Amino acid sequence: ELKVEQNPLFLSMQEGKNYTIYCNYSTTSDRLYWYRQDPGKSLESLFVLLSNGAVKQEGRLMASLDTKARLSTLHITAAVHDLSATYFCAVDRGNTDKLIFGTGTRLQVFP
Amino acid sequence: AAGVIQSPRHLIKEKRETATLKCYPIPRHDTVYWYQQGPGQDPQFLISFYEKMQSDKGSIPDRFSAQQFSDYHSELNMSSLELGDSALYFCASSPAGTSGRGGYEQYFGPGTRLTVT
Repeated sequence: ELKVEQNPLFLSMQEGKNYTIYCNYSTTSDRLYWYRQDPGKSLESLFVLLSNGAVKQEGRLMASLDTKARLSTLHITAAVHDLSATYFCAVDRGNTDKLIFGTGTRLQVFP
Repeated sequence: AAGVIQSPRHLIKEKRETATLKCYPIPRHDTVYWYQQGPGQDPQFLISFYEKMQSDKGSIPDRFSAQQFSDYHSELNMSSLELGDSALYFCASSPAGTSGRGGYEQYFGPGTRLTVT
């Protein structure tokens, strides 16, 4: 059974600081996704990582994928309050396409 | 750009009642997925459809059924509602990929918040 784990589950960080969220998954998958969710809202797609070594950046967020280690990271640079949200990673097994989500990381950025 | 449309956005039902949630995918997307997200939980896959046929099934209770229609919209029917069914229900759509089983990225709708009292 494919399992996806994230850490940390909760992250409280000061504005201007850097931090990394980790996403580990248990079986082979070539496709990994990062989503952002504000409370009670929908899931907003941030990154789609399709191959080993993929790195994508958007603003203060950068995501990478290591399929050999079954690990993805979401790096936050110089955090700002607007980044406060819950971040989910998700993987699929390719042949079925359903998404298996990680536990989520609730990020709070304070002044 | 057009997004996934879900209706209703909010729904309040009593125990043992039935509910129908609707999903209208992005134009030219032929794959639809349903997910359930309980309070403080991650989204859990329920069921998916490709070209109006069920393509995969997750942890969907037997009390729930779903289908995709000729115009590609989908409906999730829920009967004998229980308190534990209270959740956010998301529909997502994607275009067919080269495998014909669904594309790479799923685009999520705004969700339907179901409250069972």
